[in-house]
Amino acid sequence: AQTVTQSQPEMSVQEAETVTLSCTYDTSESDYYLFWYKQPPSRQMILVIRQEAYKQQNATENRFSVNFQKAAKSFSLKISDSQLGDAAMYFCAYRPVRDDKIIFGKGTRLHILP
Amino acid sequence: NAGVTQTPKFQVLKTGQSMTLQCAQDMNHNSMYWYRQDPGMGLRLIYYSASEGTTDKGEVPNGYNVSRLNKREFSLRLESAAPSQTSVYFCASSERTQLFGANVLTFGAGSRLTVL
Repeated sequence: AQTVTQSQPEMSVQEAETVTLSCTYDTSESDYYLFWYKQPPSRQMILVIRQEAYKQQNATENRFSVNFQKAAKSFSLKISDSQLGDAAMYFCAYRPVRDDKIIFGKGTRLHILP
Repeated sequence: NAGVTQTPKFQVLKTGQSMTLQCAQDMNHNSMYWYRQDPGMGLRLIYYSASEGTTDKGEVPNGYNVSRLNKREFSLRLESAAPSQTSVYFCASSERTQLFGANVLTFGAGSRLTVL
């Protein structure tokens, strides 16, 4: 069975600093998508970044980037220049290309310290 | 506004009562999902539907039934509610293509259900 593991239930970072959130997954598939979603206190789910497994280049969206290590089945999220608005719950998610099933990790709550 | 609409937003039930959560999307997406969110457990997939007329079990399907009424609507039914089903429920949809930006979930605002 496919699983997504986020080993850090909570993290804190000083404003303007850099933080990395960890995610590992288990799958026998070779083609899949990986995602990071953000859930602020409003409870609305927001896509942060997406990575296709066939792409070796790590995805980047402004201050957000990933370190995708396919062999290690690792997909960490780096947030640079952390801002107060980054405070939220962050979820890692996985979807195989051949299927529509999308599963999530348990989430990491990120606190930004002013 | 385009998006995913869930109703009701809040509901309190007594143990044994039944209810249906409604979900509709107007983005012409093929895939629809129901998740539940509990503290410390993240988002867990209950059921999903890859297209009209098809449904598949997710990670925690027990105690739930779903109906994909048409391409727009995907309902979740609790036949005999239990306190363990107290949760926040999210409906989501996505399009399964190779286009840029595809395969991304669009979520509804969530439905908070309390079972006493």
